[in-house]
Amino acid sequence: GIQVEQSPPDLILQEGANSTLRCNFSDSVNNLQWFHQNPWGQLINLFYIPSGTKQNGRLSATTVATERYSLLYISSSQTTDSGVYFCAVGPAGTALIFGKGTTLSVSS
Amino acid sequence: DTAVSQTPKYLVTQMGNDKSIKCEQNLGHDTMYWYKQDSKKFLKIMFSYNNKELIINETVPNRFSPKSPDKAHLNLHINSLELGDSAVYFCASRGRGGTEAFFGQGTRLTVV
Repeated sequence: GIQVEQSPPDLILQEGANSTLRCNFSDSVNNLQWFHQNPWGQLINLFYIPSGTKQNGRLSATTVATERYSLLYISSSQTTDSGVYFCAVGPAGTALIFGKGTTLSVSS
Repeated sequence: DTAVSQTPKYLVTQMGNDKSIKCEQNLGHDTMYWYKQDSKKFLKIMFSYNNKELIINETVPNRFSPKSPDKAHLNLHINSLELGDSAVYFCASRGRGGTEAFFGQGTRLTVV
């Protein structure tokens, strides 16, 4: 089955810093999603990004499907960005397969 | 209006009991899922239903039985609960063609 690897596993930042999270996947996929699990446990959709680049405020994501990776950029981080960031992939007709996540802690 | 809603949000029960978790989606999606998140935060697929038909059944004890009365609902029934069943269970749905998936708020199950 498809393997999804995320790096780094843990990240500690000062408020205002920028960061890049990476997701590598083992097989060709036609979809990829980034989620943020906040400290209350909710899974928040960040991006649905099978390919290309998208931006939403301080967050942006890029997926290079031919090279099987995706990047999530967080700029000017805030304490509310803390939580776990998941990447998930899954072709149509299958389930989303999740990476193990990157745990981000932003301190003021 | 919540897209994917599951109830209850918290469930504390004793070993050996039977419990159900309900899930409903109002997105018109064809496919619904149950995921289990363990203490290390890993999200693992348990079941997938497409138009009320079971299409994915990962290695899950048969004490877990999903039921889909219609394509907007997917419930999870668990018999003879064990301590190791304690986890957060998430329901999700996705449209035809593998479009964006949406998750419910999760049900934290604690077996004592």
